[in-house]
Amino acid sequence: DTEVTQTPKHLVMGMTNKKSLKCEQHMGHRAMYWYKQKAKKPPELMFVYSYEKLSINESVPSRFSPECPNSSLLNLHLHALQPEDSALYLCASSQGNINSGNTIYFGEGSWLTVV
Amino acid sequence: GQQLNQSPQSMFIQEGEDVSMNCTSSSIFNTWLWYKQDPGEGPVLLIALYKAGELTSNGRLTAQFGTTRKDSFLNISASIPSDVGIYFCAGFPSGTYKYIFGTGTRLKVLA
Repeated sequence: DTEVTQTPKHLVMGMTNKKSLKCEQHMGHRAMYWYKQKAKKPPELMFVYSYEKLSINESVPSRFSPECPNSSLLNLHLHALQPEDSALYLCASSQGNINSGNTIYFGEGSWLTVV
Repeated sequence: GQQLNQSPQSMFIQEGEDVSMNCTSSSIFNTWLWYKQDPGEGPVLLIALYKAGELTSNGRLTAQFGTTRKDSFLNISASIPSDVGIYFCAGFPSGTYKYIFGTGTRLKVLA
C-alpha cells in the first residue's frame, strides 16, 4: 500500500467551480510534488515544495494554486479550469533535498474531469 | 518537456516469457527509477538505482544502471498476467532539480 494518499479519487467539476485536491504522506519526507498526467503520457511536473516552501513552479497557469499546510500535507486548489485540464493529478514525496535525485514515491492519483 | 527514449513502446508476450526494456539518453544521469503503472492508478516504484553499473533485483525484476550513466535496463523474468501495465523509467540528470520520464513501455501478457 502506498504511503502517499490522495483524495478524492475522482472529481468532476464545472469550469466555474472551485475545488481542491488533497494529499498526505506518512513517510517523513520534506519534499512534495504535484504532477499532471494525460492518458498514455508520462507524468509532467507542476510544483515542488521543499521544507514547506514552494521551490519550483513549472510555469503552471494561476488557475492551479498549490498549498503546503505542513510537512505531511499538500493541497492543489482548482478554480476556473478548462476542459483540457482534465487529467490524472499525482502527488508525490521524497527526501527534502530536491537536487539530489532522491527517490520519488507517488500516490494513487486523483482523476479530474472538467465539464 | 524533455523525455527519455524508452523502448520498446509496446510489446505482447506469452506468459512465462522474459521481457527486456530500456531507456537511453544523450545526457548523464545520477539516479534511475523504474515504475509500473496500472490503468487509473499512480506509478508504483519497482527499483531505484543510484550508481553506474549497479544491478538490482526485486523478485522477478532486475534493473541495471548503465556504465555510461546514459542508460538503464529493466528485465522481467517468467512473465505472468499481472505484469500487464505501463512501465516508465525516470532519470535524474546531473545539475538539475527534476526527473525526466521515459515515454513508457506498454506490456501485454497473453495467457
